[in-house]
Amino acid sequence: GNSVTQMEGPVTLSEEAFLTINCTYTATGYPSLFWYVQYPGEGLQLLLKATKADDKGSNKGFEATYRKETTSFHLEKGSVQVSDSAVYFCALYPNTGNQFYFGTGTSLTVIP
Amino acid sequence: DVKVTQSSRYLVKRTGEKVFLECVQDMDHENMFWYRQDPGLGLRLIYFSYDVKMKEKGDIPEGYSVSREKKERFSLILESASTNQTSMYLCAIGISQGNYGYTFGSGTRLTVV
Repeated sequence: GNSVTQMEGPVTLSEEAFLTINCTYTATGYPSLFWYVQYPGEGLQLLLKATKADDKGSNKGFEATYRKETTSFHLEKGSVQVSDSAVYFCALYPNTGNQFYFGTGTSLTVIP
Repeated sequence: DVKVTQSSRYLVKRTGEKVFLECVQDMDHENMFWYRQDPGLGLRLIYFSYDVKMKEKGDIPEGYSVSREKKERFSLILESASTNQTSMYLCAIGISQGNYGYTFGSGTRLTVV
């Protein structure tokens, strides 16, 4: 079956620290992989995506690389800001299917 | 970019009431979805629809129904609200090729008392 596992939070970092949020997946075939971000009081926004192995998605300083051999799609940012405080969701869309599968979300708080 | 509007940001309803949550898109996308979001559980799919008058059950459809009479509108109905349906409800839309990602509404936080 299809599923996504991401590291549990909450994560608290100081401003300018390095961020990694781990995400691994189980899927049949070759899914597309996504990171969504949810700022307080809002819906989810697409942050970045990768549709095939070794692709790197990037946006707003965040990056994630589709690693088929380790079935992972870890989110990274070199220097976080207070404005990055949010909940981050890893998700997959299978190549034979009709719905997304989301992880449980990781809450990030960045302190000045 | 497509815009997804959920009719209410906050709702408080009484146990046993019939509750309607509305979701409207300003484009012509086929696929619309209702999720609920709970701490520690992430997003769980309730129902989805691929076209007018079509609906499919998601992972947790019990206690819910949906209606899609027009392409741009997808309604989630709680037939008889219960306290365990207190949650954040998120509507999402997508084009037929899902690997472009979904667009989400801002969510409706429903409290059932």
